[in-house]
Amino acid sequence: DTAVSQTPKYLVTQMGNDKSIKCEQNLGHDTMYWYKQDSKKFLKIMFSYNNKELIINETVPNRFSPKSPDKAHLNLHINSLELGDSAVYFCASSQDGQREPYNEQFFGPGTRLTVL
Amino acid sequence: GQQVMQIPQYQHVQEGEDFTTYCNSSTTLSNIQWYKQRPGGHPVFLIQLVKSGEVKKQKRLTFQFGEAKKNSSLHITATQTTDVGTYFCAGPGSGYSTLTFGKGTMLLVSP
Repeated sequence: DTAVSQTPKYLVTQMGNDKSIKCEQNLGHDTMYWYKQDSKKFLKIMFSYNNKELIINETVPNRFSPKSPDKAHLNLHINSLELGDSAVYFCASSQDGQREPYNEQFFGPGTRLTVL
Repeated sequence: GQQVMQIPQYQHVQEGEDFTTYCNSSTTLSNIQWYKQRPGGHPVFLIQLVKSGEVKKQKRLTFQFGEAKKNSSLHITATQTTDVGTYFCAGPGSGYSTLTFGKGTMLLVSP
């Protein structure tokens, strides 16, 4: 069973298009995240959702809009794609708890977005 | 939010050699986590350190948390080709349940 799944795995599109990436977790976790990993492997948090509510929105252009229809899903919609949006996008989830490890994050396989 | 600096950025070793990556923060960290990302893969949780001076071992991997809780290290003894990947440290981020990742150390192991 896949714990955190993302679709699609690869996405190639033209500048100016709108696209979505879907994420689902079957771990029963309360918190989900989107990360962007650039070509230098730097992992940067974009959004954090807890129980369907947006908790954090880092300095991300408003062309990026996350949507969480329920606790197990967090989708990412991107409008007017730009060349600089090309990256690998990872979804992740975690469960807050009172025991170590606190906030261990489980990552999905990633979506490699290429904007031409 | 807190920043964690990680060095080196890249290391290439011969199989059987040891490897160490270091993580430093300007502020005290409540805990630190380590992740491994294989080429083409996704980050996978390795361990979390919470206590000052803590040392944890996983087979050939040794993780340390500094006494001041501002630095951490991951040491691999006698590397193998299966150790290839990028190792990230991560400290608590500015938001609820978030992490701030270091830039990672990419390890290449030649047979």
